Amino acid sequence: GAVVSQHPSRVICKSGTSVKIECRSLDFQATTMFWYRQFPKQSLMLMATSNEGSKATYEQGVEKDKFLINHASLTLSTLTVTSAHPEDSSFYICSARAGTRRSYEQYFGPGTRLTVT
Amino acid sequence: AQSVAQPEDQVNVAEGNPLTVKCTYSVSGNPYLFWYVQYPNRGLQFLLKYITGDNLVKGSYGFEAEFNKSQTSFHLKKPSALVSDSALYFCAVRDISNDYKLSFGAGTTVTVRA
Repeated sequence: GAVVSQHPSRVICKSGTSVKIECRSLDFQATTMFWYRQFPKQSLMLMATSNEGSKATYEQGVEKDKFLINHASLTLSTLTVTSAHPEDSSFYICSARAGTRRSYEQYFGPGTRLTVT
Repeated sequence: AQSVAQPEDQVNVAEGNPLTVKCTYSVSGNPYLFWYVQYPNRGLQFLLKYITGDNLVKGSYGFEAEFNKSQTSFHLKKPSALVSDSALYFCAVRDISNDYKLSFGAGTTVTVRA
């Protein structure tokens, strides 16, 4: 199957700083990428959907100025958590899809554990 | 909107016994259903999917799932569980009313004891 990578796998940052998480599709072109947030032993919460070359669409309740998403190419999307606070500590998972609609599978990255101190 | 529900937060079984993880769905039209597994601090791994065709779907690692339209269920099964099957399992549906995005159930933690 297709491979999606995330970097870094773990990051610790101080409160007030910003941190960037990269998501790459390694062997396919991802026209659509998704960013999820997951709290311990809970389900995945979709934060935003990004299509290459256009602005991300954020789910209700997600602050777009805090979670900046850039889908600059067909193989790379980044999530920047700006002015991070301890409540932003979470597991962030990206996912990529090669095309739109029904015929394309969605592949998941291994996740990034963010800890804000 | 289309959704799935996982009625059990936790399932505990002894190694070698059958494992069932329950999932029910609510969709309009034909459902596209998925099962994923997540190990600690890892992303999701695809197990199997139902799009159309045979109601019994076989997937990775010896798992299978049965699509039951009359009961609107898509339960995940494994005839003989292993300790290594201990993980968090998610049922998901592709929401055709929302750009085919995946909508996940709450998850079921499976613990297989030796």
